[in-house]
Amino acid sequence: GESVGLHLPTLSVQEGDNSIINCAYSNSASDYFIWYKQESGKGPQFIIDIRSNMDKRQGQRVTVLLNKTVKHLSLQIAATQPGDSAVYFCAERNAGGTSYGKLTFGQGTILTVHP
Amino acid sequence: ETGVTQTPRHLVMGMTNKKSLKCEQHLGHNAMYWYKQSAKKPLELMFVYNFKEQTENNSVPSRFSPECPNSSHLFLHLHTLQPEDSALYLCASSLNYNEQFFGPGTRLTVL
Repeated sequence: GESVGLHLPTLSVQEGDNSIINCAYSNSASDYFIWYKQESGKGPQFIIDIRSNMDKRQGQRVTVLLNKTVKHLSLQIAATQPGDSAVYFCAERNAGGTSYGKLTFGQGTILTVHP
Repeated sequence: ETGVTQTPRHLVMGMTNKKSLKCEQHLGHNAMYWYKQSAKKPLELMFVYNFKEQTENNSVPSRFSPECPNSSHLFLHLHTLQPEDSALYLCASSLNYNEQFFGPGTRLTVL
């Protein structure tokens, strides 16, 4: 079945460094991918998304890269700040069948930024 | 704020109680979702509604009963729950299955 997984469950960085969070997905039919950030006591917050017809998308301090050949997704955070400390989830959207639109989430990576 | 509100934020209930979780979205979205988030597990999709019609029931036990009276409101009725049902229950909404906006969740504890 489809699954989304993360290579590293935890990531610790120094303030000002760049962070890279990785995600592997297994459903080659997925057409849309999203990164979410979840802070303690809050629901997941949308960060950035990318459609399968793109390989890179940039936002404010964040970049998402999509490699469909190896079914890999990454989130890059530039100049990481303590406020970036949170759990980061990737999610993929099922593009067809009876479960169209269903998002499958990875387990999450805990990002800790040290001042 | 994401435009999705959930009440209550915290709920403690016994296994024989009946309670309901409420979700409301003010974003004009057509799809609404219930997720369960347990420690060290990925988000689990429970139910999906699109224009008030249930489009997904992810093999959820019947002790969880969803209700969607309109596109802006979603309920999750709970009865005879088990301690393993203790979790964070998240509501989300989206426009045409694009990015989902989540509420803050209800932290449920079943004693």
